[in-house]
Amino acid sequence: GENVEQHPSTLSVQEGDSAVIKCTYSDSASNYFPWYKQELGKRPQLIIDIRSNVGEKKDQRIAVTLNKTAKHFSLHITETQPEDSAVYFCAAKKNFGNEKLTFGTGTRLTIIP
Amino acid sequence: DAGVTQSPTHLIKTRGQQVTLRCSPKSGHDTVSWYQQALGQGPQFIFQYYEEEERQRGNFPDRFSGHQFPNYSSELNVNALLLGDSALYLCASSLSGGGAYEQYFGPGTRLTVT
Repeated sequence: GENVEQHPSTLSVQEGDSAVIKCTYSDSASNYFPWYKQELGKRPQLIIDIRSNVGEKKDQRIAVTLNKTAKHFSLHITETQPEDSAVYFCAAKKNFGNEKLTFGTGTRLTIIP
Repeated sequence: DAGVTQSPTHLIKTRGQQVTLRCSPKSGHDTVSWYQQALGQGPQFIFQYYEEEERQRGNFPDRFSGHQFPNYSSELNVNALLLGDSALYLCASSLSGGGAYEQYFGPGTRLTVT
């Protein structure tokens, strides 16, 4: 089955700097890669996603890149703000009959004011 | 447009007991997936329901069972609770087919087994 690895497990950056979180996946049939933000005690919230037919997607300060050949994808947050502090999870899935999401182990991002 | 809702929000049970958790999907969604999130870990897939049938199942024992109703809402049942079942149980809803990929999560039910 699919296996998703995520690095780093913790990340601290100064407010205003950029943060990058990286994930690799094992199943070449995976074609959908979402990123979720989870604040303490809250639900995972979808913040951005990318499908295998594109290499990059951007939404304001957040961008995701995908390298299907290398089977890795990354989340980039620019101009970080204190409210970006949370745990971020990457995930991967195939889309044959609404396949399950396989999650990475999470990255705890702390923005230092 | 209501998002995904779950009940109850918190639950405390004793080892050996049984528990039922409930989920109502986002309006327009027809598929419900259940995930278990242990403290400090990513969500782990339990199973998925579509058209009132279990369509996929993760690596969870038969103590975990579920149901989907005609209105697409779903229940997760766990029998013979173990201490290790303590976790946040999340349901996610999605729309089957039509190129839709996104899964939206409910707020979760925090289950504590003592």
